[in-house]
This record gives sequence, structure tokens and C-alpha cells, in this order.
Amino acid sequence: EDKVVQSPLSLVVHEGDTVTLNCSYEVTNFRSLLWYKQEKKAPTFLFMLTSSGIEKKSGRLSSILDKKELFSILNITATQTGDSAVYLCAVYAGNNRKLIWGLGTSLAVNP
Amino acid sequence: NAGVTQTPKFRVLKTGQSMTLLCAQDMNHEYMYWYRQDPGMGLRLIHYSVGEGTTAKGEVPDGYNVSRLKKQNFLLGLESAAPSQTSVYFCASRQRLSTDTQYFGPGTRLTVL
Repeated sequence: EDKVVQSPLSLVVHEGDTVTLNCSYEVTNFRSLLWYKQEKKAPTFLFMLTSSGIEKKSGRLSSILDKKELFSILNITATQTGDSAVYLCAVYAGNNRKLIWGLGTSLAVNP
Repeated sequence: NAGVTQTPKFRVLKTGQSMTLLCAQDMNHEYMYWYRQDPGMGLRLIHYSVGEGTTAKGEVPDGYNVSRLKKQNFLLGLESAAPSQTSVYFCASRQRLSTDTQYFGPGTRLTVL
């Protein structure tokens, strides 16, 4: 059965800290991996990764995919209270029509 | 360009009542999805559509029906609501295969008493 596992489930840090969120997957015919951020509303898209070793970067957020070891990481440097959210990882596999979602990592950034 | 919109934003039903949630997108996307999100359960796919007039079951389809009569609209129906259907419902849409990004609507919070 296809699955996506995120760790840790929750994390509390102080402003300015750097955090690393993990996403591992076991799927048939991997196509792409997506990261989303969810505050008290709908998920918003962050990154899509399809190739190993190529870092995607947006401001203080970056992500990389390792297709050999079947995982991705999302890094947030110099965290701010506005980074507090649930970060969701999801994978397209098989016929590429449906996303397989992880349960998310809840990040709290304290001032 | 409103993106993905959902109607209503909130609703309270009594057990056994029926209702329809409307999802509309103005991005000319081929694929549309209905999810429910519950604490500790993550996002779970209810039904999805790969084009006008087509629908398919997702992970948790029981108790729900859908229709996609127009490309821009995707309706989710609850024929006889149950307390277990209390949840936040999200609609999403996606361009056909050229990009994998799903864009989400703002959600509908449904409570079934």
C-alpha cells in the first residue's frame, strides 16, 4: 500500500531557530513530491520536487528530494512566528491522478 | 480571477438532512477533488473528477455523491448526513498533467448534530 510518513508530528522552536522537516514515502511509480503549508485555512503550495538532488528554494524555505533513499526534507532557516503552521507532504504515484498525503508536521515558533 | 471558491463556508445540519457543497474554479482546470480533513487523520480524498461528466471514488466515498456537469463546478452531496460526517471539506483543482500542483478552496466547516 502506498504511504507517506512525516516526522516529527509536532515541533516547538524559538524564533531564529532552523528546522528540518522530514517526509519519507513508499509508493509505486513515483512521479513527484509536493510540500504545502496550512495555517488555519486551506493548504497553500510551497514546492514541487521531481528530480533527486536539486534544491528548490524560496526565501528562507528550501527543499530537496532523495529518490534513492525515498525521502524529502523541508528546511526553514531563521524561523519567524509567521512560520507557525502545519506542513504537509504529498506524493503523486501510479496513474498520477491522486495525491497520497502525509499527516503533516505541526510547527510552532515561539517569540 | 477568484481561483477556487466553495459555498457555503459553514453549515450545521441535523442527522438525516441532506445538503450540497459547491466548488467552483475559474482556472479552466481539468481535474477537481473533494477532501475531508479531520484532526489526526490528515487530508482524505472523497471523490475526484478528471474531466466534465466524469467522477471517481477516492479513499472515503461512502455517504457522499458527486457530480461534474460543468467543467468549472464540482458538487459534493450528502444524502443523509451523519455525525461522522462532521468535518472540514476542501475542494481542489489542478491543470491536466502539465503541472501537479493542486490549488485549494477555502474550505467548508460542516457540523452534523
